[in-house]
Amino acid sequence: DAGVTQSPTHLIKTRGQHVTLRCSPISGHKSVSWYQQVLGQGPQFIFQYYEKEERGRGNFPDRFSARQFPNYSSELNVNALLLGDSALYLCASSPGQGAAEAFFGQGTRLTVV
Amino acid sequence: GQQVMQIPQYQHVQEGEDFTTYCNSSTTLSNIQWYKQRPGGHPVFLIQLVKSGEVKKQKRLTFQFGEAKKNSSLHITATQTTDVGTYFCAAEGSARQLTFGSGTQLTVLP
Repeated sequence: DAGVTQSPTHLIKTRGQHVTLRCSPISGHKSVSWYQQVLGQGPQFIFQYYEKEERGRGNFPDRFSARQFPNYSSELNVNALLLGDSALYLCASSPGQGAAEAFFGQGTRLTVV
Repeated sequence: GQQVMQIPQYQHVQEGEDFTTYCNSSTTLSNIQWYKQRPGGHPVFLIQLVKSGEVKKQKRLTFQFGEAKKNSSLHITATQTTDVGTYFCAAEGSARQLTFGSGTQLTVLP
């Protein structure tokens, strides 16, 4: 079975631009979460979706938004990119409603220049 | 918000030595999870502990959840070079998010 897949794997954007990151969860998993990981730190929670509804939101500005589609895949959108948005963006899917036993994708490495 | 403190930040050991990382919270946790992240990789789920005083083993890895459900530890016996990576504990919060500790970066010297 395929694991969590994310696209693209790497991305370079200019300040002020917009970016869309995509995630496909493990088959059968209805919960998808997004995390930002800055080098040398643990992942920071951004959003959690279950059954296409937002169930949790971390302490991130409104420039960050997400959605989950009927097939449970998800998109993370970031507007008006800042240099500080450069990070590894991780998507995780879970078998239950919560974030427990999260299976992470390989991540999207975003560089903002 | 919920915070999870993890120590030490770095640990260098000789191959064959044991390794332990500790995770502490000021609040009672519903569960604690452990993840391993290899250099350049993504976090990989290792285990979830739910019960007070729970101890689980995976080969050379032993995971413990404290009686008060406020602390946890991961112990690796006789480390191998394949154990290299950063080990994170994570607690599930009320907003369904995982709050990660800062991680312990393990280096195993051959």
